Amino acid sequence: DAKTTQPPSMDCAEGRAANLPCNHSTISGNEYVYWYRQIHSQGPQYIIHGLKNNETNEMASLIITEDRKSSTLILPHATLRDTAVYYCIAITQGGSEKLVFGKGMKLTVNP
Amino acid sequence: NAGVTQTPKFRILKIGQSMTLQCTQDMNHNYMYWYRQDPGMGLKLIYYSVGAGITDKGEVPNGYNVSRSTTEDFPLRLELAAPSQTSVYFCASGDRGREQYFGPGTRLTVT
Repeated sequence: DAKTTQPPSMDCAEGRAANLPCNHSTISGNEYVYWYRQIHSQGPQYIIHGLKNNETNEMASLIITEDRKSSTLILPHATLRDTAVYYCIAITQGGSEKLVFGKGMKLTVNP
Repeated sequence: NAGVTQTPKFRILKIGQSMTLQCTQDMNHNYMYWYRQDPGMGLKLIYYSVGAGITDKGEVPNGYNVSRSTTEDFPLRLELAAPSQTSVYFCASGDRGREQYFGPGTRLTVT
C-alpha cells in the first residue's frame, strides 16, 4: 500500500472550514484513500473514503486530485470536538484490509 | 449494538506474568484486528483474522498469540509480559471493502 504524508499539526478556528491535506504520490490505481481520526486516546473512528471521485457524508468531504497524488479532507464547520489526530491511509480493498497508520496530523480547533 | 467491546480497560502486570485481552464484536464482521499504540505514535498491527479459524501475523507479532474460534471473539494472549509491551491495545472489526470499527482500548502497564 502507498505511503501517505501529512503535516504534523494544524490549527483551525471554531466554525471555520478545516482543510486537512494528504500526499500519496505513489498511490496505485486500485488503492482507496481512507481517513480516520482519533480523539484523545479513544479508538480511531472512520470518517470517509474514496477512490477517485469526490465524496461527502455527514461528517466530512473528501477531495481527491485528478492525478490522485493528493487529497484533502474538509470539515465544513469545525467544532472543538473535532480536535483530534487525523490519519490518511491508502489501502487496497478486497484483501485483508489491513490499515497502516503513520503518525497522523493533530488538528486543534480553537475557540 | 454494542459494537466492539474490550476487557479489561486497564491492567498492570509484573514482568513475566501472562494475561489475555478480550475482544468481542456483535456486528457479524468476518475480519478482526489487534493493534498496539505507543505514546505519540500511530497504531501498529499485531495480528489479524479474516474469519473463524484463520489468523495471520501483522507488523509486530512477537510476544503475542491469538485465536479465533468464533466470529464474535478474538482474544490476544501475552505469555511472558515484558516492559516493551506497555502500550494501549485496540481491537477492531470490519469486512471486505468496508471500514473498521475500533474498541475503546486496553491500557496495559508492565513493571
